Amino acid sequence: QVQLVQSGAEVKKPGSSVKVSCKASGGTFSSNAISWVRQAAGQGLEWMGGIIPMSGRTNYAQKFQDRVMITADDSTSTAYMELSSLRSEDTAVYYCAREVAGYFDLWGRGTLVTVSS
Amino acid sequence: DIVMTQSPDSLAVSLGERAAINCKSSQSIFYSSNNKNYLAWYQQKPGQPPKLLIYWASTRESGVPDRFSGSGSGTDFTLTINSLQAEDVAVYYCQQYYNSPWTFGQGTKLEIK
Repeated sequence: QVQLVQSGAEVKKPGSSVKVSCKASGGTFSSNAISWVRQAAGQGLEWMGGIIPMSGRTNYAQKFQDRVMITADDSTSTAYMELSSLRSEDTAVYYCAREVAGYFDLWGRGTLVTVSS
Repeated sequence: DIVMTQSPDSLAVSLGERAAINCKSSQSIFYSSNNKNYLAWYQQKPGQPPKLLIYWASTRESGVPDRFSGSGSGTDFTLTINSLQAEDVAVYYCQQYYNSPWTFGQGTKLEIK
């Protein structure tokens, strides 16, 4: 059974960048897209963007267009989300999720990114 | 962007009773060419990622108990939980996938009365 395994928690300074990984364990990404969704403490879910690893095609939410880069290595079934110019408001749990026609049927356990000086 | 609005923000229901959570989209998320509503429901328990319950507005994900059901079309949708169990305490989110960016409702917190 495929699981999405994410990298560990990060603490970053304002203005720096963070790169979070998401690996499909026990399987591959297949032809599915992988999306990134974030959640600040006590808040709701916010879709940032996604990638189809097989083609490399990406789709970003306009809010993050200038600061996020989502990449993938299909050969290792690993996706990456890099967020730059970090600010305190980016402190959140970042989830990767497998996308099927736009909904998310499999989620990673999340990576806490803390932005603090 | 399509705005998803859930009601109520929180809900307390007695064990064994029925809970209903509403979700309204700012525009229709029904695609007539395939007769599908592009709406999903998720359950999130503390410290856990969201879990898919329902997609295409009314199709239950494999393994989800049949006390969970989804209904509605166009702009108005409902998640119904029949015979509420203690393990159903969670925050529930709706999500549209009709138009990018995919957007979620603000969440509804379900508690036991």
